[in-house]
Amino acid sequence: QKEVEQDPGPLSVPEGAIVSLNCTYSNSAFQYFMWYRQYSRKGPELLMYTYSSGNKEDGRFTAQVDKSSKYISLFIRDSQPSDSATYLCAMIKTGNQFYFGTGTSLTVIP
Amino acid sequence: GAVVSQHPSRVICKSGTSVKIECRSLDFQATTMFWYRQFPKQSLMLMATSNEGSKATYEQGVEKDKFLINHASLTLSTLTVTSAHPEDSSFYICSARATGLPASPQHFGDGTRLSIL
Repeated sequence: QKEVEQDPGPLSVPEGAIVSLNCTYSNSAFQYFMWYRQYSRKGPELLMYTYSSGNKEDGRFTAQVDKSSKYISLFIRDSQPSDSATYLCAMIKTGNQFYFGTGTSLTVIP
Repeated sequence: GAVVSQHPSRVICKSGTSVKIECRSLDFQATTMFWYRQFPKQSLMLMATSNEGSKATYEQGVEKDKFLINHASLTLSTLTVTSAHPEDSSFYICSARATGLPASPQHFGDGTRLSIL
């Protein structure tokens, strides 16, 4: 079993929809959580970084962490075609080891 | 802030050529930099972890003599693909973590698309 699991999709939604992207993890040693967005032929871009359970909001993006369930989510409100990309979750264990999910491919249809 | 510059963005060269890719952290110091390889529609594959002033740590299956990594300063790491062959064609991405911050995230460059003819 992988330490970080992420559904690869692909996920296709109409413009304006709320998108929910999720990752699960198996080890409670994960303490810091990130979401990256990667456009085709570009490097990943850091969207959200959080270390506590609960919600963190930035514009149309909300990152949610539930440490008791070992589950993190990224919500995108009012999705736009420009949100079409691959979204990667990432986590850091105590000891600074870094783990990535495999990425979820999202397409927002105009 | 936290900008990582990777150069060149695109390389096309003949088989047997050595290619150097640079990764610079522009507005922060990075003790640790990472080098990844990514095939189309696949996830990032970590090749090596580069620490300033010491030898890089390579992942299993990555040839250290083929992929030479140098991290001579807190803002620059280089990856040299020696005697490149068509099977080395890929998208190479670097990332950097800021020095002195606990559990700092990785910040990525925009990648280098390498094509070996």
